[in-house]
Amino acid sequence: DQQVKQNSPSLSVQEGRISILNCDYTNSMFDYFLWYKKYPAEGPTFLISISSIKDKNEDGRFTVFLNKSAKHLSLHIVPSQPGDSAVYFCAASLNAGNMLTFGGGTRLMVKP
Amino acid sequence: EAQVTQNPRYLITVTGKKLTVTCSQNMNHEYMSWYRQDPGLGLRQIYYSMNVEVTDKGDVPEGYKVSRKEKRNFPLILESPSPNQTSLYFCASSLHDSFYEQYFGPGTRLTVT
Repeated sequence: DQQVKQNSPSLSVQEGRISILNCDYTNSMFDYFLWYKKYPAEGPTFLISISSIKDKNEDGRFTVFLNKSAKHLSLHIVPSQPGDSAVYFCAASLNAGNMLTFGGGTRLMVKP
Repeated sequence: EAQVTQNPRYLITVTGKKLTVTCSQNMNHEYMSWYRQDPGLGLRQIYYSMNVEVTDKGDVPEGYKVSRKEKRNFPLILESPSPNQTSLYFCASSLHDSFYEQYFGPGTRLTVT
């Protein structure tokens, strides 16, 4: 059973608009959450993270929101750019352990 | 240039023929790990290593072996590959105290027939 789920396999957004990617998790012991971005034929690259003691973290156009009561996090990209078109994975870590549990990924397409 | 390299990038092999996928990083990272990516399942961790001579199982270690004799290298060994090990494999590394922010290699696409 997947502990981290991304229920939307794909998302299409117009350039300049907001992209919202969602992620749900089941294990309330997860204490650190991350987003990775992956282009075709490349490995994933770290994008942004958030600790469970926070509910928001912002880095330029990227903001991650965490709702612990709902076990839900989201990544907002504003404004979206064609170069943001990629697969986005959310991931979670358990009690500062050494393993990351990844979701299945969401393919974002930003149309010019 | 700081990077994680994997070889080969593509491999087609037959069931039962032992193979090794190499992984090397030049960032002096303590932590290294192997993942496989399958459609809809995201990345699942196979093995990880906190430092030289220290390795641990991840979520899906069955059918795989690893070794960490040197800090920079972390090879993945399939002693007897089977078709269900057909997948896209990624090696990653990070500093020990920031293992969340892992640097990934470009991936190795393995097909076992």
